[in-house]
Amino acid sequence: DQQVKQNSPSLSVQEGRISILNCDYTNSMFDYFLWYKKYPAEGPTFLISISSIKDKNEDGRFTVFLNKSAKHLSLHIVPSQPGDSAVYFCAARGNRDDKIIFGKGTRLHILP
Amino acid sequence: KAGVTQTPRYLIKTRGQQVTLSCSPISGHRSVSWYQQTPGQGLQFLFEYFSETQRNKGNFPGRFSGRQFSNSRSEMNVSTLELGDSALYLCASSEVTRFSTGELFFGEGSRLTVL
Repeated sequence: DQQVKQNSPSLSVQEGRISILNCDYTNSMFDYFLWYKKYPAEGPTFLISISSIKDKNEDGRFTVFLNKSAKHLSLHIVPSQPGDSAVYFCAARGNRDDKIIFGKGTRLHILP
Repeated sequence: KAGVTQTPRYLIKTRGQQVTLSCSPISGHRSVSWYQQTPGQGLQFLFEYFSETQRNKGNFPGRFSGRQFSNSRSEMNVSTLELGDSALYLCASSEVTRFSTGELFFGEGSRLTVL
């Protein structure tokens, strides 16, 4: 049973445009949501997070939106740059056990 | 601060063998988590150790085990290796405080190939 779902395995976006990565979850007991970025041959690196009591968090070019009623979150990257080409993982933390569950990832390709 | 260090980076084993992977967390981090990454399944949670105790466990068979030492270093072991165990094994450490978001800091992983 997958509690964190990223339904798009890959996404291609023109450089300079907005990239929108989506994530759905099933467990209403998650209290934090996080996005990680992974380059080949490297471990994932933390990008941005959002508490379940907020609906938006912004950090530079990265904004995460949380819609609790729909159990949906999205990561917006504006403007997209070539270095943003990577696999992006959505993750969620349980508020009782602190366990962090990841989605399967979305590969983002930024086109020149 | 040094990052999370995983050894070995690459290893090749044959079916039926066992393997031990090592992880040194960031200094001061007491929580260590292990994940398995495969192309079709993304990052799957194996287990988490905190202060030498297994605090959380994922849905993996008993062939997968781990432990944590008093200096927070952790090892994971896979016995009776199967072809499907070929994967990148990632270790992550984190601070655990009342106000932490649980942000994980990952190592570069140990790439295991089972032949």
